[in-house]
Amino acid sequence: DGGITQSPKYLFRKEGQNVTLSCEQNLNHDAMYWYRQDPGQGLRLIYYSQIVNDFQKGDIAEGYSVSREKKESFPLTVTSAQKNPTAFYLCASSIVKGAGELFFGEGSRLTVL
Amino acid sequence: GESVGLHLPTLSVQEGDNSIINCAYSNSASDYFIWYKQESGKGPQFIIDIRSNMDKRQGQRVTVLLNKTVKHLSLQIAATQPGDSAVYFCAENMDAGGTSYGKLTFGQGTILTVHP
Repeated sequence: DGGITQSPKYLFRKEGQNVTLSCEQNLNHDAMYWYRQDPGQGLRLIYYSQIVNDFQKGDIAEGYSVSREKKESFPLTVTSAQKNPTAFYLCASSIVKGAGELFFGEGSRLTVL
Repeated sequence: GESVGLHLPTLSVQEGDNSIINCAYSNSASDYFIWYKQESGKGPQFIIDIRSNMDKRQGQRVTVLLNKTVKHLSLQIAATQPGDSAVYFCAENMDAGGTSYGKLTFGQGTILTVHP
């Protein structure tokens, strides 16, 4: 079945460590996105990529990094520079032209100990 | 900056009732709106969308109404079922020349609880 796979589903990190969240899609979508969700809040855009080897900062990119070496993959690294990394992270993808509907993965919950 | 917001953070209804979830937006340039449903611990799921050249769009048991005059969006769920219990988000996409695909701005969300 086509879809978006995020891993791991749960991740614990010590302060000062970098962690990388995986996102893979087999929908043949050109565009991919990372959103952050905090309790009781909406989603905020971290980074997005509309084509391989290109990506743009979203509204809250500080402390995060991404790469887009393959169309199917858009990993997110939460660096030690991110001051409040505990959150639910959602990856999404979409076609580039036409509708703006996003297809979301099941999310990765990161907890900093 | 401009943002999307919700009037009611929580809504409780009885099974079988109709539910109405409201959303106010402040960006008059937004031309595409989406409603998502998010169950606990899961990613958001698309429910229905509407473009600014429409006032109403119907799906299966759901209807979205758009009032551009007052910048208001609503989601109506008919014959609400316990399985409809979730957080509902509205989101807007300001299609600035077609370069902002997927850059959705999300509202805070409304928690819908359906009692059997």
